[in-house]
Amino acid sequence: EDQVTQSPEALRLQEGESSSLNCSYTVSGLRGLFWYRQDPGKGPEFLFTLYSAGEEKEKERLKATLTKKESFLHITAPKPEDSATYLCAVNSGNTGKLIFGQGTTLQVKP
Amino acid sequence: NAGVTQTPKFQVLKTGQSMTLQCAQDMNHEYMSWYRQDPGMGLRLIHYSVGAGITDQGEVPNGYNVSRSTTEDFPLRLLSAAPSQTSVYFCASTKGLGDETQYFGPGTRLLVL
Repeated sequence: EDQVTQSPEALRLQEGESSSLNCSYTVSGLRGLFWYRQDPGKGPEFLFTLYSAGEEKEKERLKATLTKKESFLHITAPKPEDSATYLCAVNSGNTGKLIFGQGTTLQVKP
Repeated sequence: NAGVTQTPKFQVLKTGQSMTLQCAQDMNHEYMSWYRQDPGMGLRLIHYSVGAGITDQGEVPNGYNVSRSTTEDFPLRLLSAAPSQTSVYFCASTKGLGDETQYFGPGTRLLVL
């Protein structure tokens, strides 16, 4: 059964304190791993898609990496506006169905 | 280009009532999906569609119906609302094979009393 597990559930950082969020996955045939950001009361906002092990993508203070078993979302020198819930999802079929992890809620204090 | 739109934003129903959650996209995407999001449960797929006239069940389809008569619209119908259907509902669309990034709407908050 396809499964996605994110850790930690919650993370508190001081502004400027870099860290990483983990997304472990078990899937029969990975067609894509997706990272989303979700602010309270809003829909998930797309950040990155990773397709193959070794792939990396960056956007401002965020960098996503992918191995055969997990993905990391690295946050460098975070700011309070990076506070949000970060969701990881995988697509293992050809129907656009995504399987989501539970998310990591990040709080960055000034 | 509005992206994915959902109406209403918030709805209160009584047990047993029916209603339709509307979803529309203007990106000419082939795939559309409905998810519900509950505390501690994450996003769970209710129904999805890979094109007009084609729908299939997701992880939690019971109590919900969908149809897809046009590429743009994908309404979700609650036949007889139950308190267990209190949740936040998100609609998403995807371009299709080769570009499977899903784009989400703003959500509909549903409270069933």
